[in-house]
Amino acid sequence: QVRLQESGPGLVKPSGTLSLTCDVSGDSITTPNTWWAWVRQPPGKGLEWIGEIYHVGYTNYNPSLESRVTTSIDISKNQFSLTLRSVTAADTAVYFCARLNNVFFYFDFWGQGILVTVSS
Amino acid sequence: EIVLTQSPATLSVSPGERATLSCRASQSVSSHLAWYQQKPGQAPRLLIYNATNRATGVPARFSGSGSGTDFTLTISSLETEDFAVYYCHQRHYRRTFGQGTRAEIK
Repeated sequence: QVRLQESGPGLVKPSGTLSLTCDVSGDSITTPNTWWAWVRQPPGKGLEWIGEIYHVGYTNYNPSLESRVTTSIDISKNQFSLTLRSVTAADTAVYFCARLNNVFFYFDFWGQGILVTVSS
Repeated sequence: EIVLTQSPATLSVSPGERATLSCRASQSVSSHLAWYQQKPGQAPRLLIYNATNRATGVPARFSGSGSGTDFTLTISSLETEDFAVYYCHQRHYRRTFGQGTRAEIK
């Protein structure tokens, strides 16, 4: 069974940098045609796609966040990461990591999510 | 950006009744649309992909239809476990989600 688990600080100061990691088990992060993604959900609101990465380094980002986002992959640890710079209170959200199925390219496995609060 | 508009925002339904949820795209997304179910405190769950295909393990009471700009998720006979928020999602150009439809017990 594929499992994803987010980890990282639950509190980040305004103007600081949010950094999260997603550990993957039950699948290889180098599986052909499989992309790995981040989605967030502000409290009580809907889902927002942040971006996605393929193990050779290809990335796609939400244009509204692209200037502040970086994703990376660590093949040796079978994990991928998210960095979001210059955060504000509007970046407070539950952050999910997810797998994009390599046949139909939708999110088929998700982490449980981690709440990140931006506050001083 | 492709905007997905879901209606209604809230659907009040009795168990055993049929539920019809709508998702309209601001431009054609072909059949590149999925539906997810999300319960409180949980991650979303993939129900339908490419507009009409049920994901693995999804009960047959869930069905999807549509193409282009207009899509529908139908739950033929609601069970208590189906009361949740439902999101549509397009992958035709970048990725966006609808704002969600909450199915609540009438």
